[in-house]
Amino acid sequence: DVKVTQSSRYLVKRTGEKVFLECVQDMDHENMFWYRQDPGLGLRLIYFSYDVKMKEKGDIPEGYSVSREKKERFSLILESASTNQTSMYLCASSPPTQAGGYTFGSGTRLTVV
Amino acid sequence: LAKTTQPISMDSYEGQEVNITCSHNNIATNDYITWYQQFPSQGPRFIIQGYKTKVTNEVASLFIPADRKSSTLSLPRVSLSDTAVYYCLVGGFETGGFKTIFGAGTRLFVKA
Repeated sequence: DVKVTQSSRYLVKRTGEKVFLECVQDMDHENMFWYRQDPGLGLRLIYFSYDVKMKEKGDIPEGYSVSREKKERFSLILESASTNQTSMYLCASSPPTQAGGYTFGSGTRLTVV
Repeated sequence: LAKTTQPISMDSYEGQEVNITCSHNNIATNDYITWYQQFPSQGPRFIIQGYKTKVTNEVASLFIPADRKSSTLSLPRVSLSDTAVYYCLVGGFETGGFKTIFGAGTRLFVKA
């Protein structure tokens, strides 16, 4: 079964910490995405990447950065975690021609205290 | 950027057909319409995708009128396990980047 795997289901971090969220896909997909999901706000796109070492800002990139050194891995980095970054983070991947046809991971629920 | 609007919630009974409509008045020429299902503490799961007219797969149908300003997800004969949140996504690759808008989701509750 094809998969998008997020390294942690739950994380608790302190304000100011640097946080890494890892995502790996085994489908050889070119496109990878990071979303955050908050009650009442739905899913919002943080960053996406359509190729190794390529990245593009989504709708809410402030306070985040990403890294894609290998095709199968896309990392989300919170440079200095803040309480307003407490959220569910979802990674997704898709082939290049299937706009919106994502496969999502199970999510990482991050709490910043 | 196409904003999407969905009903916040819907109730149904087992065995009924459920239709959930998403409005996307400003949909762009290159945009596709995709629907997802999400259960608590899980990532959204792809249900169906379309560009125009009607698309059907083993779990759902998607109806898109000619003007593409709305779309309707149809779930035939729902069961209790279809209780979930359903999201409409409009978007695709455009000049300048990848544009997507998820709807706020429709919480479907199926009763016995």
